[in-house]
Parts: sequence; structure tokens; C-alpha cells
Amino acid sequence: AQKITQTQPGMFVQEKEAVTLDCTYDTSDQSYGLFWYKQPSSGEMIFLIYQGSYDEQNATEGRYSLNFQKARKSANLVISASQLGDSAMYFCAMREGRAQKLVFGQGTRLTINP
Amino acid sequence: EAQVTQNPRYLITVTGKKLTVTCSQNMNHEYMSWYRQDPGLGLRQIYYSMNVEVTDKGDVPEGYKVSRKEKRNFPLILESPSPNQTSLYFCASRDRLNEQFFGPGTRLTVL
Repeated sequence: AQKITQTQPGMFVQEKEAVTLDCTYDTSDQSYGLFWYKQPSSGEMIFLIYQGSYDEQNATEGRYSLNFQKARKSANLVISASQLGDSAMYFCAMREGRAQKLVFGQGTRLTINP
Repeated sequence: EAQVTQNPRYLITVTGKKLTVTCSQNMNHEYMSWYRQDPGLGLRQIYYSMNVEVTDKGDVPEGYKVSRKEKRNFPLILESPSPNQTSLYFCASRDRLNEQFFGPGTRLTVL
């Protein structure tokens, strides 16, 4: 079974609009962490935001926020006021318990139109 | 500046010719990993290290070796590369907290 599912292979959004990228996860661990990374066309992986399973507040980092719904096992990324530079692949990832690896979803390609 | 560096960034080689991709971090992190990224398969962990001289296999270790003789360095070795190892490789490191830093990636083509 997929541990991380990103159901949107691609999204097209008008500049300045808010966008939500979906991510659902599957784990039986009580302790886990959820991550979002951005991968522009240049290839590097850029850390955006982290949410711990015990964090009661949704994580926020500038224009990025993570809509964490634990009961639904979802960790959607919300980008407010999108910019042309937000066009990239976005990956959701999870680390379970004491595991030493991140498990990644397939990614969503976001395109911001002017 | 806190960073993870990898070299080379691009490499085209031939089947069977041993190669090493270097990885170095300047953040004194204990945990380091190697991932490969392939279309449709996402990123998958190859090997990881929890500290000096402590390494273990990830999900796709076949055909790769690693070593961790110093805390800052974690090279990836392909003793006899094959075309199915053509991929984008990432080195990553993290401390005991949660943010994982990735290197810039190495694009490897094996002919």
C-alpha cells in the first residue's frame, strides 16, 4: 500500500490565487513527521514545511501552511497568493517513528499562470 | 552557510567503470542518507548512516556501497555501474530534529 498519496499529478493556477496541494498518508505509528518539499526545474529539493504528529497547531512558514487533519490522515499544503516562481514539482513525505528514511509521494506539478 | 554539497553534479559514464559520488555537509549532522529519484517512482532511499562507521541499507541498496569514515562525508560508490542506475541522486543530512537538508543532486547517466 502507498504510504504517501498525492492524487493531483498536475495543477494549473492563476497567479495570486491560493492553491491547495493534496497529500494523504498511511501509518500505524503514533509518532511521525510530515514534510513538504519543492523541486524546481533546476532539480534541487527545497524544504518547505514540517508537521509533527503531536503538533496541535497547523504548521506555517511564510506563504506556506500545512492543513493537518490527523483523523483523515491528510496533510495538505496551502500556498497563499501564488507567484510565478512557485511553479515546480511538490513532494509530500513522511518519516515514521524512529525510521531513518523519508517516504515520498509521487509529486504534484504546479504551474502558475500569469 | 549551512549546506550539503555533492560532486559531480553531472556525470556520463559507461557500464562497469567504477565511480564515486561525494557528499559533504557542514552542519555536524549525525544522520546522512542517499536517495535516487526516478520518473514515476519518486525518491527512494539507497543507504543511510546514523553516525561515523554506522551505515545500513535503505530500500534499494543493490549495486551501491557507502562509507562513513568522517562525520561530514558520506560518499556513494558504484563499483560496476549499469544502465539501470541512470538516475538523479540526492544526498541528505539531518540532525536529531526534523529538518532534512538535501544536496543539489547528481544526474548520472550510465551508457
